[in-house]
Amino acid sequence: QKEVEQDPGPLSVPEGAIVSLNCTYSNSAFQYFMWYRQYSRKGPELLMYTYSSGNKEDGRFTAQVDKSSKYISLFIRDSQPSDSATYLCAMTHNNAGNMLTFGGGTRLMVKP
Amino acid sequence: DAGVTQSPTHLIKTRGQQVTLRCSPKSGHDTVSWYQQALGQGPQFIFQYYEEEERQRGNFPDRFSGHQFPNYSSELNVNALLLGDSALYLCASSLARIAEAFFGQGTRLTVV
Repeated sequence: QKEVEQDPGPLSVPEGAIVSLNCTYSNSAFQYFMWYRQYSRKGPELLMYTYSSGNKEDGRFTAQVDKSSKYISLFIRDSQPSDSATYLCAMTHNNAGNMLTFGGGTRLMVKP
Repeated sequence: DAGVTQSPTHLIKTRGQQVTLRCSPKSGHDTVSWYQQALGQGPQFIFQYYEEEERQRGNFPDRFSGHQFPNYSSELNVNALLLGDSALYLCASSLARIAEAFFGQGTRLTVV
């Protein structure tokens, strides 16, 4: 079993929909959580960075962490065709510097 | 302010050859990490350099080696290339002990 699990999708939604992307993890030592967006054949772009449990909002994006359930989410409001990409969750241990463990990514398609 | 830059963008090598990939971190960052991303999967941690020393290493064979220079730039070397080494190689830069990491566009390596 992988340390970080992510549904590969593809997830197809109409433009303007609210998108929910999720990851589960098994290692309770993870303390820092990130969401990256990756367009085809490009490097990952950091979207959200959160520490421990709670919510964080940035524009149309909201990141949620529930450490008790080992579950993190990224919500995208008013989704746009330009949001079509692969979304990667990543996390790191408190005492391991910043070596990131990634999920496999969820491919999102937002249709006009 | 230039972000993380990697070179070359694409590379084709023959099985058994050696390859060197290069990375310049984001201005002000002192830590460089390298990741391998196979098609359709999340990035896998190779190793991390800080103060010109390898600080952490993932589950990769000794054929993978690296170096960090005094200006914080880094190289990834892979010897005795295998077909399975074909992947997108990503460089990430960060500050020591800060989880937030920024990625370059990657080098796509094809081994034939």
